[in-house]
This record gives sequence, structure tokens and C-alpha cells, in this order.
Amino acid sequence: EDKVVQSPLSLVVHEGDTVTLNCSYEVTNFRSLLWYKQEKKAPTFLFMLTSSGIEKKSGRLSSILDKKELFSILNITATQTGDSAVYLCAVVGSARQLTFGSGTQLTVLP
Amino acid sequence: GAVVSQHPSWVICKSGTSVKIECRSLDFQATTMFWYRQFPKQSLMLMATSNEGSKATYEQGVEKDKFLINHASLTLSTLTVTSAHPEDSSFYICSAEDREWNQPQHFGDGTRLSIL
Repeated sequence: EDKVVQSPLSLVVHEGDTVTLNCSYEVTNFRSLLWYKQEKKAPTFLFMLTSSGIEKKSGRLSSILDKKELFSILNITATQTGDSAVYLCAVVGSARQLTFGSGTQLTVLP
Repeated sequence: GAVVSQHPSWVICKSGTSVKIECRSLDFQATTMFWYRQFPKQSLMLMATSNEGSKATYEQGVEKDKFLINHASLTLSTLTVTSAHPEDSSFYICSAEDREWNQPQHFGDGTRLSIL
């Protein structure tokens, strides 16, 4: 059974801080790992990672995958209050459906 | 980019009512769509995989006779919650994968279902 564990479960920081969110996984026939941001509605896509060691970057957000150690991190630099959300990590295995972690609730205080 | 439309966004109805939720891929063909359910403060849990032209595959513990899935075309899947009860109240989200372009799954905006 595919499994995704995220840590920490929640995090409170002040604007301008840098945060690192963690995701470890077990999956049969790994295809990809995805990061999503969820506010009040459905998740919005951030990154899809398929290869180890290649950093994906979008503005203040970046992510990297380690397929040997079976984990990924999501970094957010210079956090803003608009970054407050639940960040979800998910893996895609042989069956193509997403298996989600429990998410990290990030709160950025002004 | 790929867009997935889900309708309705919010439903409030009485116990015993059946509710149909639609999920459409707007600019790509999706041979497979996925239906998830999310309870408050919890993550998304896969309910079923909807395959165009064939029967859906349900996850363990999900009643196929209660949650009817129809995927009659390459751009539309529907989830019908039959004889809904208060414990079915949840946030239901669909996703679709554009396999032609090897893109990640994109989600609809979700349907918040409240059964009174």
C-alpha cells in the first residue's frame, strides 16, 4: 500500500521567514511526486517531480526529490501571509491515482 | 493550460435525496478521472477511479451502490450520491489527467455537500 508522511503537521512563522516542509513516501512503481497548495477550495498544483536531485523553482517556492532516500522537500523563502495554506504532498504509483499525505498547515503571521 | 470544471460547487439537501456532481475536462480528453473525498481537517482520500467506457474502480470501504460513477465520454464523469445521509456530508473533489501531455492531475474546484 502506498504511503505518504508529511511533517510537520502544522507550522506558524512570521512574514519573511523561510520554511521547509518535508514529505517521505513509500510507493510501488514510483512515477512522480507532486506538491499542491490548498486554501479554501480544491488543491492547486505547485510542482511535479520525477527525477532525483533536480530542483524545481517557481518564484519563492522550490522543491527537490531524493528517490534514493524516498523524500522530498518544499522550501518557501521570504514567506508572506498569502502563503498561509495547507501544503499537500502526493505520490503517483503504478495505478496512476494520487496518494496524499496528511498535509502541513502553514500559518504566516504579519 | 488544462482546466477541470466541477459542478455544483455547493449543495445543501435533505436526507434521502440523491445528488449528482459533474466533472468536466474543458480543454483535453481524460480517459481517466478520479474522485476524492475530504473531511474537515483531513487530507484527500481516493474514493474511485473513473474510466471512460468501463466500470469505475472503487477503493476499499467505498460502497459502489451508494456512490454511482458514470464516465460516458472523454470529457465528463459524474458522481451520484444516492439516498444521501448526514454522514455523507463532505467535500468531494474530482481530478483528471491529461495523459497525452504527461501532465499532473488537475483538480476541479470541489463540491461541498451538506446533508440535513
